[in-house]
Parts: sequence; structure tokens; C-alpha cells
Amino acid sequence: DADVTQTPRNRITKTGKRIMLECSQTKGHDRMYWYRQDPGLGLRLIYYSFDVKDINKGEISDGYSVSRQAQAKFSLSLESAIPNQTALYFCATSDLRNRESTDTQYFGPGTRLTVL
Amino acid sequence: DAKTTQPPSMDCAEGRAANLPCNHSTISGNEYVYWYRQIHSQGPQYIIHGLKNNETNEMASLIITEDRKSSTLILPHATLRDTAVYYCIVRVWYGQNFVFGPGTRLSVLP
Repeated sequence: DADVTQTPRNRITKTGKRIMLECSQTKGHDRMYWYRQDPGLGLRLIYYSFDVKDINKGEISDGYSVSRQAQAKFSLSLESAIPNQTALYFCATSDLRNRESTDTQYFGPGTRLTVL
Repeated sequence: DAKTTQPPSMDCAEGRAANLPCNHSTISGNEYVYWYRQIHSQGPQYIIHGLKNNETNEMASLIITEDRKSSTLILPHATLRDTAVYYCIVRVWYGQNFVFGPGTRLSVLP
């Protein structure tokens, strides 16, 4: 969905480096999410935010941190990348204020991260 | 854990209807049925959702049984571009995340 963009789309880095993944949305949604997907598996939630400055841990938050300084932006950081963080990372947004939307989530195109 | 059961794979001839089943026998009264698909390694794409009534949009139709224990996603005229993994998810509308199981890999054949 072009309304949700992620940068970079691909990144190769080395163990121990700090990495930041950015997500921006023009949908005006209040909620934003970060997921990771490993080969052949479903998506797992890392962090989510219901509003600016609101941060909540998902099921696999260890080794990650996030920042929501503006409604349209939600960034994911790996403070010290390790090889098992090699995965596809997806950002998603939803609009809980719109009851009819039933909080449907819309996903970005993904970032492929490789940690050597 | 995913609350749904889907066949791991299905084939469909191009131009024919693709009917993808999903069992959700433990669904609660306030849980919706959502369908997403993922083409190759792209971001999951929302298709449709419903509570108890059948739903139709420009992409697909969703048929939910009267007891709500199963549903079927129908792509009326499948094309090669519909080849993807299709995920059936049940969730309360205010939940914080979607739990994606393994889904059904649909292959549309020429």
C-alpha cells in the first residue's frame, strides 16, 4: 500500500551495528505496528503504538526499541544487531477511531534486513 | 496462537473461481473474520472482513456459515496475479495485532 512507506527496503549490516528502520504513513491513522517475518513463518508483533509517545511491547520486543515522535512516523531500532535478527520487517497502520474500519491493518512493503 | 485452520495449498485454473476455506470452530461472538494475502515477500494485503453476514467487495466475497465456525473466501475470476499465500484471521476488532498462521498457498495455473 503506497500510503505506508518503509525505508530502507533492503539493508545488509554487521553484527553489533546499530540499525534504524523507518516507517511513514499518509493515511492519518492513529495506530502503528512493527512485525517481523522469518522464512516460511507468519508475522510476529515486535512493538505497537496507539498514539504519539505511546509505546507497547509485542511478543518479541527483546533486542528492539521504537520511537513514535509524530503520528505519521514510527521507527524501529536494533541497538546492537545480531544474525538471528535477519528477517523481513513490516510496518502496519490502523485507525481505531473509525469504528467501521474495525481496526483493519494496512501493511507497508517491508524491509529486508540481513545481519552478517 | 492462530485460531484458524486452513489447507496448506490449493490450485485453481485461471479464470475460474477460487474458493478458500477456513475453519474457526472456537470463534467468539465478538470476533471478526479477516482475510489477508501476501504475494511473494510483499507486505500482507487486506482483502475483506466480516462478522456474521456475507460480505463482498471489489476483490472478493466472504461467506460465513450461520454458526460462524467456518468461512470461505471466494475470488470470482482468479488470475495469475492472485497467486499468493492467503491468511484467515479471527480477532476482536479492537485487538492490538493480527496473528498470522501458515495460511493457504494458492497457485493459479494458466
